[in-house]
Amino acid sequence: ETGVTQSPTHLIKTRGQQVTLRCSSQSGHNTVSWYQQALGQGPQFIFQYYREEENGRGNFPPRFSGLQFPNYSSELNVNALELDDSALYLCASSPGTGGSFTYNEQFFGPGTRLTVL
Amino acid sequence: LAKTTQPISMDSYEGQEVNITCSHNNIATNDYITWYQQFPSQGPRFIIQGYKTKVTNEVASLFIPADRKSSTLSLPRVSLSDTAVYYCLVGAAFSGGYNKLIFGAGTRLAVHP
Repeated sequence: ETGVTQSPTHLIKTRGQQVTLRCSSQSGHNTVSWYQQALGQGPQFIFQYYREEENGRGNFPPRFSGLQFPNYSSELNVNALELDDSALYLCASSPGTGGSFTYNEQFFGPGTRLTVL
Repeated sequence: LAKTTQPISMDSYEGQEVNITCSHNNIATNDYITWYQQFPSQGPRFIIQGYKTKVTNEVASLFIPADRKSSTLSLPRVSLSDTAVYYCLVGAAFSGGYNKLIFGAGTRLAVHP
């Protein structure tokens, strides 16, 4: 069973640019969530996708957008990058509704470290 | 989701038992308590979850008193590899991870030789 993978591992961009981060969910998972983790802080929820539809969003501006594809892989897009967007971006997948599994258990990837200069 | 309060950091030595307490005074009736562990440069990893009393698995134990306003994560006989940040989360139970997770700042545990 393959776990959650993310690409790229590291990325350096300049202010004002756009970036796309990618995530492959764990096999059998149809729900993906994205989190932003600034240095020394806990992860902050950006949004969640379930079966290609956004079904929850945290306190992030519209320039943070996402997609989920039919194979349940996902992208996080950030436009007009700002210096404060520098962070570790985490993707987490989960089985979604149905079946028996642990409540509130999400499976995280290793993250993409984004640096905005 | 209920706000949680936990110590910023803790230190321990190899072989000792470590107890990390989390306060969640505003926990709701349908809220569960979940703990995650995060190593440097990795994503968080689910450790344990409970609703009341005691839960034990191969990694840790979770103690929850009757009023559920706090919980204690217990790590038996820690090793250097247990050095990590531990997050206490409180929120409604949605099966399949169909829920946003609200992380605080966590507790940074350092295990020394």
